Amino acid sequence: QKEVEQNSGPLSVPEGAIASLNCTYSDRGSQSFFWYRQYSGKSPELIMFIYSNGDKEDGRFTAQLNKASQYVSLLIRDSQPSDSATYLCAAPTGTYKYIFGTGTRLKVLA
Amino acid sequence: EPEVTQTPSHQVTQMGQEVILRCVPISNHLYFYWYRQILGQKVEFLVSFYNNEISEKSEIFDDQFSVERPDGSNFTLKIRSTKLEDSAMYFCASAQYFGPGTRLTVL
Repeated sequence: QKEVEQNSGPLSVPEGAIASLNCTYSDRGSQSFFWYRQYSGKSPELIMFIYSNGDKEDGRFTAQLNKASQYVSLLIRDSQPSDSATYLCAAPTGTYKYIFGTGTRLKVLA
Repeated sequence: EPEVTQTPSHQVTQMGQEVILRCVPISNHLYFYWYRQILGQKVEFLVSFYNNEISEKSEIFDDQFSVERPDGSNFTLKIRSTKLEDSAMYFCASAQYFGPGTRLTVL
């Protein structure tokens, strides 16, 4: 059974700090990874995707991928209370099938 | 900015009834998906759709489920005979972009 694992949290960080969210995956064949943000009662919103080893930056967000360790992370710099949400990691298994982690709940404390 | 739209936003039905959930994907996108999320649980893949046919489906997507793209815009998910455990949020996705979801409540 292919899995994507995330710590459910909550992860609490003070406003202005860096939030670090982690995800591991079991399918070595997965080539691309997606981070979503989901506010309570809302649908997942795509933040960014990454498919190459290393870092990818987009504004306050940096995704990091290490395929050898089967590990992908999301860093949020200068965390704001509005970043408080559940962050979902998703990976493809097969060509058009995606599995999601349970998500990490982030709380940014003002 | 193009968006995925879904109707209805909330559907209440009796167990055993058929429901059809509707989605309008982003135009020019080629890959469409249905996911569900039971309250408090993870997002679960149901089915992917490309070139007017199913590409992949999960174990959840049994004979009670079907998908169609009856015209060039709408993309539908039909559940033939709903069960209590079908109660969930159902999300349509156009490529990696999710619609707002339909909350299905089966009584």
